[in-house]
This record gives sequence, structure tokens and C-alpha cells, in this order.
Amino acid sequence: DAKTTQPTSMDCAEGRAANLPCNHSTISGNEYVYWYRQIHSQGPQYIIHGLKNNETNEMASLIITEDRKSSTLILPHATLRDTAVYYCIVRVANQGAQKLVFGQGTRLTINP
Amino acid sequence: EAGVAQSPRYKIIEKRQSVAFWCNPISGHATLYWYQQILGQGPKLLIQFQNNGVVDDSQLPKDRFSAERLKGVDSTLKIQPAKLEDSAVYLCASSSRDLPGNTIYFGEGSWLTVV
Repeated sequence: DAKTTQPTSMDCAEGRAANLPCNHSTISGNEYVYWYRQIHSQGPQYIIHGLKNNETNEMASLIITEDRKSSTLILPHATLRDTAVYYCIVRVANQGAQKLVFGQGTRLTINP
Repeated sequence: EAGVAQSPRYKIIEKRQSVAFWCNPISGHATLYWYQQILGQGPKLLIQFQNNGVVDDSQLPKDRFSAERLKGVDSTLKIQPAKLEDSAVYLCASSSRDLPGNTIYFGEGSWLTVV
């Protein structure tokens, strides 16, 4: 079973920041938080991951709370092409070859 | 860098027929995964390989599904005989422990419709 809880759907206006929350209250000390997204008819696309520090890359920022029980993915300037299902997943990164366990994800719709 | 390659992209078959999907992972990635994604759901792991050995096949319906990765590089997933409920997208993914975060990368998927 997935170890994360996400809202089923969200809307955001084009050009604004999209903030996607994720709860992972049972996360273990060696589990990372990963975010993937899936645009219709495509395979899941890796976005970002982090352990306890905030992370930023060319796609997004990841904010993890100090107690690590929740996190927020931020798309700073959302475009129509960011419309997708976003998955938050917790996973041990460096111990063996750990699979990804997907939940239902958040369906994000960017509106013009 | 080339991504995970999968073929065919689309396949329509009748129930009780067989089908095979092929996957070529990213070069150098020792771990290969096959996921099944039914419409409206998140992907579900079917089988995971480490090189040419099976790590996890607990969710693979072994009476009809089989997968192999004989030389530790590309892989084939077969369904025989197919049922209507096998209609789904079959996603191949790969990863390497040598990369930061052991990130898993997915192919575009093979869409199967069983009629």
C-alpha cells in the first residue's frame, strides 16, 4: 500500500505557483520523498526527490517539514503543459533496489 | 542519453490470444521493472529484475504472465492467454544504484486492449 496521502484533485491558474501537498506521517528515517508526474498517454516522469532538506531543480521545488511528516511540491510558474497527475512516493533510495509504490496521486489542472 | 525504449506502443488482441512486450532499459541500468497501469489507477509493480535475476514477482499473475531478462539488458513481458481485464498500459522502467537517489526512469508504455 502507498504510504502517502494526497488530495484527489487541484486547480491552478496559468502563471501562478502550484503548491501540491503530500502527507507521509509514517515515513522512516531512511526513506526519501519522490515526486513523479504523468501526463496523459505518457509514462511517469521523475520530478524531484529529497530526504530532509528542501530541494530545487529546473522543474520544481520540494519543501519538506522539519518533522518530515509532510511535504509540498511547488511548480513556481505553472503552464498548461503542467496539467498532469502528480504522485508523491516515499522510498528507500540507497538500500537494495527499492520499487516505487504509487497511490492515486493528485490530478492537477492548470487553467488559462 | 537515450531513455527507456518500449515496443509495441499499441496493441489490440482478442481474449485468449497471446501478446509480448519488449523493453530496452537505459544503458548501464542494472534494475528493470515492469508495471501495469489500469485506466484511472496508479501503476502497480508486476516484476522487478536485478541484472538477469528476479527480485520481486509477488504481484505477477504467473498462470498467464511471464517475463524474462536473459542477458541482463533488455526484457520481454508475455501474456498468454490474455483476458479482458488485462487491458492496461504496461510500463517498463529502469534504475541504477550508481546514480543519485537511485532514481527510476520510465518508458512511454505499451497500451494493450483486449477485446
